[in-house]
Amino acid sequence: GAVVSQHPSRVICKSGTSVKIECRSLDFQATTMFWYRQFPKQSLMLMATSNEGSKATYEQGVEKDKFLINHASLTLSTLTVTSAHPEDSSFYICSAPQTSGRANEQFFGPGTRLTVL
Amino acid sequence: GEDVEQSLFLSVREGDSSVINCTYTDSSSTYLYWYKQEPGAGLQLLTYIFSNMDMKQDQRLTVLLNKKDKHLSLRIADTQTGDSAIYFCAETLSGGYNKLIFGAGTRLAVHP
Repeated sequence: GAVVSQHPSRVICKSGTSVKIECRSLDFQATTMFWYRQFPKQSLMLMATSNEGSKATYEQGVEKDKFLINHASLTLSTLTVTSAHPEDSSFYICSAPQTSGRANEQFFGPGTRLTVL
Repeated sequence: GEDVEQSLFLSVREGDSSVINCTYTDSSSTYLYWYKQEPGAGLQLLTYIFSNMDMKQDQRLTVLLNKKDKHLSLRIADTQTGDSAIYFCAETLSGGYNKLIFGAGTRLAVHP
């Protein structure tokens, strides 16, 4: 199946710094990618839909100035957590759909664990 | 609104069958999915079912869909310790291209 990678897998940063997380589709092109956030022992919460060549669409309650999304190419979307604070500590997961494959199948990255001190 | 609910925990003995249940509220669901998440990892698609189907079987996995009751279940036959993980059901809605709505996840623990 298709592969989605994320980098870094784990990051620890100081409060007030910005952190960039990359999501790449390795063997297929993705005009759309999705960013999720997962708190411990909880479900995935969709944060935003990343659209190649245009602005991301954010879910209600998600601050777009806090979580900057850039989808600069058909294989790369980045999520930048700006001025991170401890409450931003979470597991961030991206996904990309491959519509040429099985019905509406999405492929998930392995996730990035962010810890803000 | 959109809502997907699951029981949070299930414990089974190795070799028994596991049944994980899920209910959803939106009748416009087009596809329903089961994902598996192992500790510290991303999600792996296990299987999916189109909303006009009642059942789908894939090796040890059987998905049952009761559209009238908006109830989805995943049965794992001959459950193994490697099946221990969190299982999420999810739906996509018509018109909500590729947007997945997840349940809270069911933690499956398999014991000897």
